[in-house]
Amino acid sequence: QLQLQESGPRLVKPSESLSLTCSVSGDSISNSRYYWGWIRQSPGKGLDWIGTIYYNGITYYDPSLERRLTISIDTSKNQFSLDLRSVTAADTGVYYCARCPATICFFDSWGQGTRVTVSS
Amino acid sequence: DIVMTQSPDSLAVSLGERATIDCKSSQSLLDSSNNKNYLAWYQQKAGQPPRLLIYWASTRESGVPDRFSGSGSGTDFTLTISSLQAEDVAVYYCQQYYNTPRLTFGGGTTVELK
Repeated sequence: QLQLQESGPRLVKPSESLSLTCSVSGDSISNSRYYWGWIRQSPGKGLDWIGTIYYNGITYYDPSLERRLTISIDTSKNQFSLDLRSVTAADTGVYYCARCPATICFFDSWGQGTRVTVSS
Repeated sequence: DIVMTQSPDSLAVSLGERATIDCKSSQSLLDSSNNKNYLAWYQQKAGQPPRLLIYWASTRESGVPDRFSGSGSGTDFTLTISSLQAEDVAVYYCQQYYNTPRLTFGGGTTVELK
């Protein structure tokens, strides 16, 4: 049974970095059949794709976030991470990690999500 | 980017009645080489993560009740709940993956009980 679990600070100050980790159990993150992704949901809004990473470290980012974003993978820990720099209140929301089949990315498994607030 | 537009924003349906949600893409999601539409539907209940319902526009994910069905091709797609149950109250999203890895979601449709 695949499980994904997000972790990280719930409160981040403006201009600082938002760092989250997704811990995966029930499947190897080195499985070449899948991408691993981050999706954000701003308060009361819809879903926005942030970025995706493959087991070999290849990353794909939303162009609007690319300058501030790094997604990385740690196969030894079966985890992948998100680092979003220079955050503002607009980065407040629920952050989900999820899995999708490589090259045909619909998300078949999701974490429960973690709520992050950007505020001083 | 491919823009996904859902309608309506919300709808209220009586128990046992049909609910229909539309999703339109700004470009075709049909790959003529395999005749597949790269369109997925998700259900998100309050306080929960999204749940995959349908992919390839009409293939139900394992465990999804058969009252949920997807149809359409090219740029116009529909999610139908044939007989609404109380547990179907949720927000529904479409998502294109034709442009993988650059993914986009529709704005969501809220389904409520009348």
